[in-house]
Amino acid sequence: ETGVTQSPTHLIKTRGQQVTLRCSSQSGHNTVSWYQQALGQGPQFIFQYYREEENGRGNFPPRFSGLQFPNYSSELNVNALELDDSALYLCASSRSGRAEDEQFFGPGTRLTVL
Amino acid sequence: GQQLNQSPQSMFIQEGEDVSMNCTSSSIFNTWLWYKQDPGEGPVLLIALYKAGELTSNGRLTAQFGITRKDSFLNISASIPSDVGIYFCAGRRDSGYALNFGKGTSLLVTP
Repeated sequence: ETGVTQSPTHLIKTRGQQVTLRCSSQSGHNTVSWYQQALGQGPQFIFQYYREEENGRGNFPPRFSGLQFPNYSSELNVNALELDDSALYLCASSRSGRAEDEQFFGPGTRLTVL
Repeated sequence: GQQLNQSPQSMFIQEGEDVSMNCTSSSIFNTWLWYKQDPGEGPVLLIALYKAGELTSNGRLTAQFGITRKDSFLNISASIPSDVGIYFCAGRRDSGYALNFGKGTSLLVTP
């Protein structure tokens, strides 16, 4: 196990609703990245948080937003849910925001949008 | 979006056989990584490569960073049933920390 935890494990929402996913980083890690993994695909980068600030963003619309807290845990918020948002959402933590510090993934939250 | 082409898409082999999979990109990456993902779990890092031409082993796994910086391969020797899973390659450029993943190679091993 990597020490990265995510909650909830599974979630079912309806189109148009809002959702908040949570992640606790591994001890000693101050950087959290979020990825979306659609069925049968590899993970796609959403954004990264370093010391409570967004430190890079992938090709996702503004309705995907995030937060990082002083204890380095993080939230991913998605507004106005669409059917295509159904996916496994992965959180990864790393020791710092430097490129050479590798990312360790949590088990993910499976979101289903009906 | 994803720019990595991973092949083969799936493999079905017998226990004890060696396995080879590769990943190519139209763009240069400065880091190549290989992850394994089991059902219901997040990806687990297997091997990280940081220099063009680098060859790195982790037990029965061996990976190489291509000289052109546009490709990498992963070999698994003497496969065992617990090698079953999906293997992902991931590349990272200097300018950011985002990982770009391939679509994965699904490996099935029969006893």
